[in-house]
Amino acid sequence: DQQVKQNSPSLSVQEGRISILNCDYTNSMFDYFLWYKKYPAEGPTFLISISSIKDKNEDGRFTVFLNKSAKHLSLHIVPSQPGDSAVYFCAAIYGGATNKLIFGTGTLLAVQP
Amino acid sequence: EPEVTQTPSHQVTQMGQEVILHCVPISNHLYFYWYRQILGQKVEFLVSFYNNEISEKSEIFDDQFSVERPDGSNFTLKIRSTKLEDSAMYFCASTPRQPSSYNSPLHFGNGTRLTVT
Repeated sequence: DQQVKQNSPSLSVQEGRISILNCDYTNSMFDYFLWYKKYPAEGPTFLISISSIKDKNEDGRFTVFLNKSAKHLSLHIVPSQPGDSAVYFCAAIYGGATNKLIFGTGTLLAVQP
Repeated sequence: EPEVTQTPSHQVTQMGQEVILHCVPISNHLYFYWYRQILGQKVEFLVSFYNNEISEKSEIFDDQFSVERPDGSNFTLKIRSTKLEDSAMYFCASTPRQPSSYNSPLHFGNGTRLTVT
């Protein structure tokens, strides 16, 4: 079941630069999308989300872009900080009565000082 | 900020034994979940629970698994007869409303690492 895919297992970025994490999905019925950040030995922490009716959502240094025609979303972090180093998971959910989040495999972001 | 609390942080058990993983969701939350992550793989949905009953479960959540909310604060996951392939990090999560509601993301605990030997 590869409905949500993160094709880059890792990404390394210099401090102060932009980090761009990508996510592709296959199911056009997803209602909204989320990004979670995960540090080692901790649970995923919600970062930002976007509804399928939007194409951009911004929260401070974090912006998520959604391209529905391409079934692609991306998370931009600018400027990147060493504390942003973590695994980033893209997740999607259908609308309606379901409660199930479908996660991608994650991208390990390393921000170099 | 309120947190989802999971205990123990690490559980080692022998194959065939029963284990119970414990979770205390955030107190005003109504929806509860278990997810798991096998090492190197993605986080997978196991089960959701609302109003004292299972509202949805995945194909992973077979007869060996059960969930319970024994009192007003705890939410447990039981595996009756563990297998080697049950070794994973198990995450409990909660949310005040259905997660398909735009502003109701899941809040996860720090997980219990289950090792079946």
